[in-house]
Amino acid sequence: GAVVSQHPSWVICKSGTSVKIECRSLDFQATTMFWYRQFPKQSLMLMATSNEGSKATYEQGVEKDKFLINHASLTLSTLTVTSAHPEDSSFYICSALLWQNNEQFFGPGTRLTVL
Amino acid sequence: AQRVTQPEKLLSVFKGAPVELKCNYSYSGSPELFWYVQYSRQRLQLLLRHISRESIKGFTADLNKGETSFHLKKPFAQEEDSAMYYCALSGFDGNQFYFGTGTSLTVIP
Repeated sequence: GAVVSQHPSWVICKSGTSVKIECRSLDFQATTMFWYRQFPKQSLMLMATSNEGSKATYEQGVEKDKFLINHASLTLSTLTVTSAHPEDSSFYICSALLWQNNEQFFGPGTRLTVL
Repeated sequence: AQRVTQPEKLLSVFKGAPVELKCNYSYSGSPELFWYVQYSRQRLQLLLRHISRESIKGFTADLNKGETSFHLKKPFAQEEDSAMYYCALSGFDGNQFYFGTGTSLTVIP
């Protein structure tokens, strides 16, 4: 099946710094990728829909200036957490949409810890 | 190791027939189980979670710890139920989240 990777899988950063997370579709092109966030013991929450070549669509309550999304190519979307704070510590998961059958493939996730 | 197993990649049922989407999990401890659904050209969305014990759109799922299963059931399938369904598991400490590979349900009119 289609493979989606995320990098890094785990990152620790200092408060106030920015962190970039990459989401790649390894063997297919994805015009649409999704970014999710999971808080401990809670459901996966959609943050934004990333569309190649256009602006991302953010869910209500998600700060677009805080979570910058860039989908510059058909195989790569990036999520940059700007000026990270401890409350941004979370598990971030991306997924990529295979348009041929509208199936969503998920990345393995990135654990972000902000000190 | 495979944490969440959905053995059926494709499942077709006739409208009005009962439907069961299987999900088995492997996890030591007390996981939390979810079902997510993706309708055509829509984003993935949470269908239900076992701690809520609610019925959403006629679907129910009971966590069976003895069989380590969390099968999704609906007594009478509807055409609008055709979608991709994902079973998911969250670790007891909330630090892991595993999805199954998904089951594509087609309800035949």
